[in-house]
Amino acid sequence: QSVLTQPPSVSAAPGQKVTISCSGSSSNIGNNYVSWYQHLPGTAPKLLIYENNERPSGIPDRFSGSKSGTSATLGITGLQTGDEADYYCGTWDSGLSVGVFGGGTKLTVL
Amino acid sequence: EVQLVQSGAEVKKPGESLKISCKASGYSFSTYWIVWVRQMPGKGLEWMGIIYPGDSDTKYSPSFQGHVTISADKSINTAYLQWSSLEASDTAMYYCAAERLQGGFDIWGQGTLVSVS
Repeated sequence: QSVLTQPPSVSAAPGQKVTISCSGSSSNIGNNYVSWYQHLPGTAPKLLIYENNERPSGIPDRFSGSKSGTSATLGITGLQTGDEADYYCGTWDSGLSVGVFGGGTKLTVL
Repeated sequence: EVQLVQSGAEVKKPGESLKISCKASGYSFSTYWIVWVRQMPGKGLEWMGIIYPGDSDTKYSPSFQGHVTISADKSINTAYLQWSSLEASDTAMYYCAAERLQGGFDIWGQGTLVSVS
């Protein structure tokens, strides 16, 4: 059981917007940067967001990140069937002195 | 090209030892943390441990401390994950990744599938 809590699944129609939450505590999200990853089956995870809300080069602005207190959120607009994947949040836990990932959220684009 | 290339799939028996590798190219290997991540069949990503190749400073998740060893050889831009005695529960895909962005692992290896039975 991860110290970061994500919903197991979310779904939305093509073209719509979806948000994925990631809930933690003051020892992790509350005092450290959050990153988000997209993981398609059979491929390596891809970094979507770092430093809570920054996008690496090449990541479209359909993907956005935010953080408030001990929770973070990934937003995806203009959903495409190619966005169907597992999404993970990640951060450092200062209390445990380890990195942590959320349990992952499976996105279905209906 | 900036990339991490991992060693190939392994099939081992319980009790055997194993060392898998992650070779970096196209960036300054010594100056960015490398993390190892496990994904067991049908499960999520698990942070195993991290190493700074420049001085081999290493941190382990308590879940993996004592069961695996993470190392790096900066002379050949390669990080390693090793087991002295594999268990069936070590069957998983293992990824390495580099943290070149603050808090973000932006380069990932292709993964190494380890099967133990």
